[in-house]
Amino acid sequence: RKEVEQDPGPFNVPEGATVAFNCTYSNSASQSFFWYRQDCRKEPKLLMSVYSSGNEDGRFTAQLNRASQYISLLIRDSKLSDSATYLCVVNKAHGAGSYQLTFGKGTKLSVIP
Amino acid sequence: DTAVSQTPKYLVTQMGNDKSIKCEQNLGHDTMYWYKQDSKKFLKIMFSYNNKELIINETVPNRFSPKSPDKAHLNLHINSLELGDSAVYFCASSLRTGLSYEQYFGPGTRLTVT
Repeated sequence: RKEVEQDPGPFNVPEGATVAFNCTYSNSASQSFFWYRQDCRKEPKLLMSVYSSGNEDGRFTAQLNRASQYISLLIRDSKLSDSATYLCVVNKAHGAGSYQLTFGKGTKLSVIP
Repeated sequence: DTAVSQTPKYLVTQMGNDKSIKCEQNLGHDTMYWYKQDSKKFLKIMFSYNNKELIINETVPNRFSPKSPDKAHLNLHINSLELGDSAVYFCASSLRTGLSYEQYFGPGTRLTVT
């Protein structure tokens, strides 16, 4: 089983739609969770961290279910500028005092006019 | 001001050659990383340095050798390049290697081995 699994998509949605991405992780010792965004031929950038209580940043809502080892990202009122690949990222302890990010393959979103 | 910069941006070379990629960050971070993103877009960590000390060394051929002359620089030297080395290589940095520390990525170096 892959460490971090995502539906690769692509998700093609009209402007204004609500879209949800799911992610599962295999290592129950994982300790922190993130969504990164990567535009075509660009570097990944942090979109938001994911907390157990769920958190919201404008049109974006992230949820974490530790029992199911499941992370989600909800985008409301999609904009053309939301078109990108969304990477689910899990942080786990690598050794004494160090941590390592493990990236999913990403889910590609295309928002259509 | 560029936070994490890499040179070169594009690198086309032949099999068997040796090449280097340079990375610099001006964020005052003490931890730097090299990632490889292959043609299937899978981003995988290769190395991590904290205060010039190697702390993560994933299963990477020993043809790849990172060097960190100081906290702001992490270079990647690749010997005897192979076709399978073609990928985008991203440098990243963070303030410590902690649970919640955001990693900032450079723009990437697109390596093509012919």
